[in-house]
Amino acid sequence: DAKTTQPNSMESNEEEPVHLPCNHSTISGTDYIHWYRQLPSQGPEYVIHGLTSNVNNRMASLAIAEDRKSSTLILHRATLRDAAVYYCFPTLSGNTPLVFGKGTRLSVIA
Amino acid sequence: DTGVSQDPRHKITKRGQNVTFRCDPISEHNRLYWYRQTLGQGPEFLTYFQNEAQLEKSRLLSDRFSAERPKGSFSTLEIQRTEQGDSAMYLCASSPVRQAYSYEQYFGPGTRLTVT
Repeated sequence: DAKTTQPNSMESNEEEPVHLPCNHSTISGTDYIHWYRQLPSQGPEYVIHGLTSNVNNRMASLAIAEDRKSSTLILHRATLRDAAVYYCFPTLSGNTPLVFGKGTRLSVIA
Repeated sequence: DTGVSQDPRHKITKRGQNVTFRCDPISEHNRLYWYRQTLGQGPEFLTYFQNEAQLEKSRLLSDRFSAERPKGSFSTLEIQRTEQGDSAMYLCASSPVRQAYSYEQYFGPGTRLTVT
């Protein structure tokens, strides 16, 4: 499994953009980059995924480095409800066992 | 609510007792996964099924653990002779299998097990 590195914690002010980094330097050429988040007392939920191109959805944007060794999850305007642990990991398919790391705990300050 | 449901949400048991958890996946999702999460860690994979077939078991799944999905719908996870180290959140997830790339697993709220 590809190893990922994320900061243990980050802090953001409400209504400001947040950039959550992830390093996955050993990613294979066919792996997708997935992001999930886990709100307090809940199971993880899917956020976004991508292969090579930057991706946008209603929750976030995903910026993928050209060499694919790193990616950044962008929350355009953080809200208090975005306070969660964010996990990134490469995976060949979202339909197989996922390998979570420790993730980044995001705190949002009002 | 058509999401993944788990029962019970909390379970306190004494060391040495057996416990069983149930997971009801989203209807028509072929794949069902079990994960375990301890405090401060991300979820760790335990086992998963496609329909009623158990496809893979993690090394974390000791002989005291057994999982079933008898009719390809709900699943149960049983832990025999519980130990204090089994205290954790047990998460269930499900996903459909499609011809196109499947990218999302849907997680339930988890069952928190405390072994005293």
